[in-house]
Amino acid sequence: SAVISQKPSRDICQRGTSLTIQCQVDSQVTMMFWYRQQPGQSLTLIATANQGSEATYESGFVIDKFPISRPNLTFSTLTVSNMSPEDSSIYLCSVEVSYEQYFGPGTRLTVT
Amino acid sequence: EDQVTQSPEALRLQEGESSSLNCSYTVSGLRGLFWYRQDPGKGPEFLFTLYSAGEEKEKERLKATLTKKESFLHITAPKPEDSATYLCAVQERSGGSNYKLTFGKGTLLTVNP
Repeated sequence: SAVISQKPSRDICQRGTSLTIQCQVDSQVTMMFWYRQQPGQSLTLIATANQGSEATYESGFVIDKFPISRPNLTFSTLTVSNMSPEDSSIYLCSVEVSYEQYFGPGTRLTVT
Repeated sequence: EDQVTQSPEALRLQEGESSSLNCSYTVSGLRGLFWYRQDPGKGPEFLFTLYSAGEEKEKERLKATLTKKESFLHITAPKPEDSATYLCAVQERSGGSNYKLTFGKGTLLTVNP
């Protein structure tokens, strides 16, 4: 398994600003993922982040809006840029270990 | 396009009343089917991965089964602490996003004492 921590756990941000979310894992992992969980909706994959390469974004998500860094095998960041109220969601970091995917506690973002 | 449908959307049980949650899926090639438990304000907690039809896995009061079109999460003699949202997700065998999980909307389970 894997133990995943995220910072911040929650934040309230103004429209037009940016927020960077950090994800730390207790072991080295190849694949890290960022998901979004909008109110009343299922989890949706934003992008896959491999160390040493550019993130791969899912349809409907772009790098300018959600830039991702993956500087090493235990850490990643997701930035939500130029935020609008529609970005209010829970953002979750995930890793795959031995074909099992584990999730962090999430970051609850509210944009006003 | 992958589709995952969970039913019912919500289920209310009395303590000790066994039942099942359903997850039906359509995917061209299944790499794995995942079950998670999610408590309010928390991230999903991994429960099981099933890889092939006929496979079964158990953990305490939970048992997951898999067919070619659906999975069931059986809850035997549930307790109030089993109350949570149960999420099902599928992972497709091939494609650009080999590790992508496609989630259903979940079943909200409430177990009354």
